[in-house]
Amino acid sequence: AQKITQTQPGMFVQEKEAVTLDCTYDTSDPSYGLFWYKQPSSGEMIFLIYQGSYDQQNATEGRYSLNFQKARKSANLVISASQLGDSAMYFCAFYSRDNYGQNFVFGPGTRLSVLP
Amino acid sequence: DGGITQSPKYLFRKEGQNVTLSCEQNLNHDAMYWYRQDPGQGLRLIYYSQIVNDFQKGDIAEGYSVSREKKESFPLTVTSAQKNPTAFYLCASRGQSNQPQHFGDGTRLSIL
Repeated sequence: AQKITQTQPGMFVQEKEAVTLDCTYDTSDPSYGLFWYKQPSSGEMIFLIYQGSYDQQNATEGRYSLNFQKARKSANLVISASQLGDSAMYFCAFYSRDNYGQNFVFGPGTRLSVLP
Repeated sequence: DGGITQSPKYLFRKEGQNVTLSCEQNLNHDAMYWYRQDPGQGLRLIYYSQIVNDFQKGDIAEGYSVSREKKESFPLTVTSAQKNPTAFYLCASRGQSNQPQHFGDGTRLSIL
């Protein structure tokens, strides 16, 4: 079964600094996708960025970028120039057709706190 | 605007009572999902459906039931057999395989 690991329960970062949130996964399927979501205290899940296993370049979306290291099975989220509004829970999610029923697997999450 | 609508936002259940959480999407997505989230925790899959009239159990299906009679709708019933239903429930849908899940705003369920 696929597994997602986020080893940092909580992270602190100073406003305007960059921060990296870790995500590792375990799969034998060569075709898969990795997603990052942000969950503010209000509860909604906000999609941030996607990386496909066959993508040649690391994904970027504005201040978000994904440090994808396929051989190490890691897909770390990098947030540049942190803002106070970035304080939230961040979840890494994994999808592959090898998952029974093609369902997503979510990691346990990392709580990011941005300090003024 | 296309999206997913969950209702109600807050729901209270009495002992021995079944309650149904609504989830409607107008994104024309085939796949729909229900997750449970306990405070400070991640998402756990309850049920998912890939097509109309078909659904599969997730990791924590006991005490829950679903139906998928229409593509747009995937209601979740929390039965009296679920002894600890207090949680935040999120519904999601997804289109193509490389697309993200789209989430509703969630329903907070509490026991009276």
